[in-house]
Amino acid sequence: NAGVMQNPRHLVRRRGQEARLRCSPMKGHSHVYWYRQLPEEGLKFMVYLQKENIIDESGMPKERFSAEFPKEGPSILRIQQVVRGDSAAYFCASSPLWTGAVGKGYTFGSGTRLTVV
Amino acid sequence: AQTVTQSQPEMSVQEAETVTLSCTYDTSESDYYLFWYKQPPSRQMILVIRQEAYKQQNATENRFSVNFQKAAKSFSLKISDSQLGDAAMYFCAPRIFQGAQKLVFGQGTRLTINP
Repeated sequence: NAGVMQNPRHLVRRRGQEARLRCSPMKGHSHVYWYRQLPEEGLKFMVYLQKENIIDESGMPKERFSAEFPKEGPSILRIQQVVRGDSAAYFCASSPLWTGAVGKGYTFGSGTRLTVV
Repeated sequence: AQTVTQSQPEMSVQEAETVTLSCTYDTSESDYYLFWYKQPPSRQMILVIRQEAYKQQNATENRFSVNFQKAAKSFSLKISDSQLGDAAMYFCAPRIFQGAQKLVFGQGTRLTINP
């Protein structure tokens, strides 16, 4: 079991470009969470997805940010027209479907560090 | 909405000594779990210990233990016999059963171990 895989590990984009961050959850996990971590801060919840559904996007900025978790393939966090303030580490975490998994916490990926220049 | 407060931005301890990191939280739920995560310089988020809110007994994992005070909504982490490898950011996070069941993280405490 390869764990939660995020790529790329590092991503540099110029202002105005698009950033695509990928997350493959652990095998058997159908819940994906995305978090953003600004320098010297904690992780802030962005969005929670199940296969083909966005369940909670209360932490997602209203503009330029979108997320998907298709039936096949990884979850994608997409940031359009990036600005310097988007520079951060973006973490993906996955969790199994069953209620008892709440007590297990998440399995986190290693994160993608986005730098906007 | 849940809020989590870690009032100690930085802590330091001598190697082999004991240190306690504090965390308070606010939730209206009665059923939830509480977690401490460690983030070393590698940036990887590592689960340290978890506590079930309905259990009165404090969780223990080797050198790590918690002091859980449900009425006070307090969840502190004690690290005994501190080791150099314990140096990291530590985050407290509750997780409730309802809704998105998302983890809500505190701002973190940076722990330095002095040799």
